[in-house]
Amino acid sequence: KNEVEQSPQNLTAQEGEFITINCSYSVGISALHWLQQHPGGGIVSLFMLSSGKKKHGRLIATINIQEKHSSLHITASHPRDSAVYICAVSPSPFYNTDKLIFGTGTRLQVFP
Amino acid sequence: SQTIHQWPATLVQPVGSPLSLECTVEGTSNPNLYWYRQAAGRGLQLLFYSVGIGQISSEVPQNLSASRPQDRQFILSSKKLLLSDSGFYLCAWSRQSNQPQHFGDGTRLSIL
Repeated sequence: KNEVEQSPQNLTAQEGEFITINCSYSVGISALHWLQQHPGGGIVSLFMLSSGKKKHGRLIATINIQEKHSSLHITASHPRDSAVYICAVSPSPFYNTDKLIFGTGTRLQVFP
Repeated sequence: SQTIHQWPATLVQPVGSPLSLECTVEGTSNPNLYWYRQAAGRGLQLLFYSVGIGQISSEVPQNLSASRPQDRQFILSSKKLLLSDSGFYLCAWSRQSNQPQHFGDGTRLSIL
C-alpha cells in the first residue's frame, strides 16, 4: 500500500462543475503539498498546508490532520484546469528524512 | 524573483551514451536542490537532493549521479545510459526543507 493515496485516479467534468480530489496518507507529516502538472509536464506548486484550509482563486485545499486526509476543491471548473493534480507529504521530523512522498496523481479533464 | 532553468527540454540518446542535464536557479542563494524522475504512468521519484555545494544525497541506487559544482547549479549525469533511464526528469528548488518546492519545466529523455 502506498503511503500517499489519491482518488479518483481519473476524473472528467463539464465546465462549471465543482470538483473534489482526495488524498489520504498513512505517515505522520509536517506539511502536505498539492501540485499541478500540465500536459507539457511542467509542475506548479499550488498549496502547502499543515492545518485547516487555504484558498487561492477558485482552488481550495483542506486538511484534517486527525483523519490524515486532504481535499483539493475546484469551483466553477474550466477546461484550462485540465491537468494532473499531485498530492505529496513532507514526513514529520520523526522520520528523519527531507524526502517528499508523492501520490500517483489524479488526471482531471474538464470539457467545455 | 526566483527562476529555475532546466535544459534541454527533450533529449534522445542511444543506449550506452553519456548524459548531462543541467539545472540552474536564479534569484536566491543556498537553495535546496532536487532531481526527480517520472517514469511513464508512475509518480514522481526523488533521485538526488542537495542542501549545499558538494553535498549530494542519493535516494535510489542507480545508473545516475548528481553534482553541485556551484551554489545554484545542479547537474544530473550518467556515464552509460540504460533503456530504463527513459523518463521525464524534473529539477526543483526550495528555500529550506519543508518549504514549497518550485519545479523546472522538465527534460523528456528517450533512450533508443
